[in-house]
Amino acid sequence: DAKTTQPPSMDCAEGRAANLPCNHSTISGNEYVYWYRQIHSQGPQYIIHGLKNNETNEMASLIITEDRKSSTLILPHATLRDTAVYYCIVPGSLNAGKSTFGDGTTLTVKP
Amino acid sequence: EAQVTQNPRYLITVTGKKLTVTCSQNMNHEYMSWYRQDPGLGLRQIYYSMNVEVTDKGDVPEGYKVSRKEKRNFPLILESPSPNQTSLYFCASSLGRATIVYEQYFGPGTRLTVT
Repeated sequence: DAKTTQPPSMDCAEGRAANLPCNHSTISGNEYVYWYRQIHSQGPQYIIHGLKNNETNEMASLIITEDRKSSTLILPHATLRDTAVYYCIVPGSLNAGKSTFGDGTTLTVKP
Repeated sequence: EAQVTQNPRYLITVTGKKLTVTCSQNMNHEYMSWYRQDPGLGLRQIYYSMNVEVTDKGDVPEGYKVSRKEKRNFPLILESPSPNQTSLYFCASSLGRATIVYEQYFGPGTRLTVT
C-alpha cells in the first residue's frame, strides 16, 4: 500500500465546507485513492474513490492533484452528522487485498 | 437489502475458550476481510480472502484463523482467546476482481471481551 498521511484532527463550522487533506506521495500510477468514514464505533462507510480525475457523488467531492501525490475530500455543507473519523487509503496494486487504514482525521463539525 | 452481517454483536468469554465470529454477505462479493479496532491503534487488518478457498494474512494475523469455504461466509476463529484479543472486530466485503479490490462494505462490528 502507498503510505497516506492525514492530519489527526480538524474542526468545521456547520453549513461550511469541510476540506480534508491526504498526502500519498508514494502512490503508483494505477493505484486508486479511497475515502471512508467511521461514525462513533460503527462500521466504516465508503464515501468516494478516484484515480486521476476529480470525482463527485451525493456525499462528497474528491480532488486529486495533477501529480496524484495528494488529494482533498470535500464535504460541501457539513452537518453535525458528518462528525466522524475520515480515512484515506490507497490499496496496493501488487497486493490489492491488503488494506491499511491508518489513524485518519477526526472531523468535528461544530454548531 | 445488501448488507454484511456479523454474529454475535457482543460477546464476553474467558481465556482459552474457542469461539467463532461469523460474517456473511449477500452481495455476491469475492473479497472479504477481517479487521480489529483498538483505541489509539486504528483499524488493523487480520486476514483477507480474495476468493473462495483463498485467504491471506493481514497485518495482525497471530492468534486468529479464518476459512472461506463458500463465497458468502468468512468466519473468524479464535482457537484460544486471550485478553489481548479484546477488541472491536469488523468484517468487510468488496467486489474484488483479480488484483483489484473495490470499495469495501463493512459489517456493524462485534465487540469481544476476553477475561
